[in-house]
Amino acid sequence: GAGVSQSPRYKVAKRGQDVALRCDPISGHVSLFWYQQALGQGPEFLTYFQNEAQLDKSGLPSDRFFAERPEGSVSTLKIQRTQQEDSAVYLCASSLPATYEQYFGPGTRLTVT
Amino acid sequence: KNEVEQSPQNLTAQEGEFITINCSYSVGISALHWLQQHPGGGIVSLFMLSSGKKKHGRLIATINIQEKHSSLHITASHPRDSAVYICAVGGGADGLTFGKGTHLIIQP
Repeated sequence: GAGVSQSPRYKVAKRGQDVALRCDPISGHVSLFWYQQALGQGPEFLTYFQNEAQLDKSGLPSDRFFAERPEGSVSTLKIQRTQQEDSAVYLCASSLPATYEQYFGPGTRLTVT
Repeated sequence: KNEVEQSPQNLTAQEGEFITINCSYSVGISALHWLQQHPGGGIVSLFMLSSGKKKHGRLIATINIQEKHSSLHITASHPRDSAVYICAVGGGADGLTFGKGTHLIIQP
């Protein structure tokens, strides 16, 4: 069975550009999480979906960050007007309902120049 | 918010050595996770535990709920164990709170 996939794996954006990062969770996984990992740091929580509902977006660092999961499967994290401090690896993870174990995708490494 | 501290931040050891990585957290938890991250970003879950001890191959994870402390041990370490090991707590709807990771290098 396929794991969590993310695309693109690498993205270089010029400051001010908009970017969209995609996450395909494991089929049947209700819960989906986005994390941001700066260089040399542990990941930090951005947002959480249960099916199509975004139940927690407290970790999104600014209103330039927007996430959606319209049909309860694929999710997109959008960053508008990218800044250099947005450079990081963006990780997606999914899990079954009522479980704590999360399955991680390979991440998207975003570099803003 | 839970604070997760790992030590050491960096560890270099010789092949065959017994490795210990420590993790402490500030607030009671439902679950603690040990994760492995190789260069390139991919994260693999090694253990999820809420009490006691778990063993998988050469890896052993223990947790002391009263002391809010967990350890990850690697026996007979091998160069392929070289990676970043991350402790994380929580899960469910709250997401995970991560430590900064321990960068382990095992030299042949």
